Amino acid sequence: EAGVTQFPSHSVIEKGQTVTLRCDPISGHDNLYWYRRVMGKEIKFLLHFVKESKQDESGMPNNRFLAERTGGTYSTLKVQPAELEDSGVYFCASSSIGGANEAFFGQGTRLTVV
Amino acid sequence: DAKTTQPPSMDCAEGRAANLPCNHSTISGNEYVYWYRQIHSQGPQYIIHGLKNNETNEMASLIITEDRKSSTLILPHATLRDTAVYYCIVRAWGSGGSNYKLTFGKGTLLTVNP
Repeated sequence: EAGVTQFPSHSVIEKGQTVTLRCDPISGHDNLYWYRRVMGKEIKFLLHFVKESKQDESGMPNNRFLAERTGGTYSTLKVQPAELEDSGVYFCASSSIGGANEAFFGQGTRLTVV
Repeated sequence: DAKTTQPPSMDCAEGRAANLPCNHSTISGNEYVYWYRQIHSQGPQYIIHGLKNNETNEMASLIITEDRKSSTLILPHATLRDTAVYYCIVRAWGSGGSNYKLTFGKGTLLTVNP
């Protein structure tokens, strides 16, 4: 069974540019989450999809971040325009429906804004 | 979610058992204890979770005290590849968007020495 897959693994962009990160969850997982770790900080929750619906987006830092999950399959996280403080590692995770089911994480996308 | 307290670092000799403690004195009745780890530059990896009974899987054992205020993750025969940051997380069980997110702290850096 394929795990959670994220693209790209690394991205270096200039301040003001746009970047789109993609996450393919484990097949059949309705829950999809985005997290990120910025330099020197703890891993922080960004948002949670159930199928195509945003269930909780309380961790999104500002309106420069837009997450979508059209059709309830893969998800994209767009940063527009990117700022220096957006640099970090963005993780995607997925889990099946059910209260205690564990979340499986992808390898992350390392974003560097210069 | 309840706050957890873990030692910042621990050392263990290769082949010996690693016992990682976690305090969660304010845990609620509907909150599970989860353990994840993050090996350098990889995504967080699920290890085990439990509610009140001790749990064991192919990776580790989880011992939860009777009052549920603390727990211990046991890696029975630590290897060099177990060197990682280990996170103890408590999370409410059940439906509802906010119940699904994981709140990562600083974790314990376990170093397995040859």
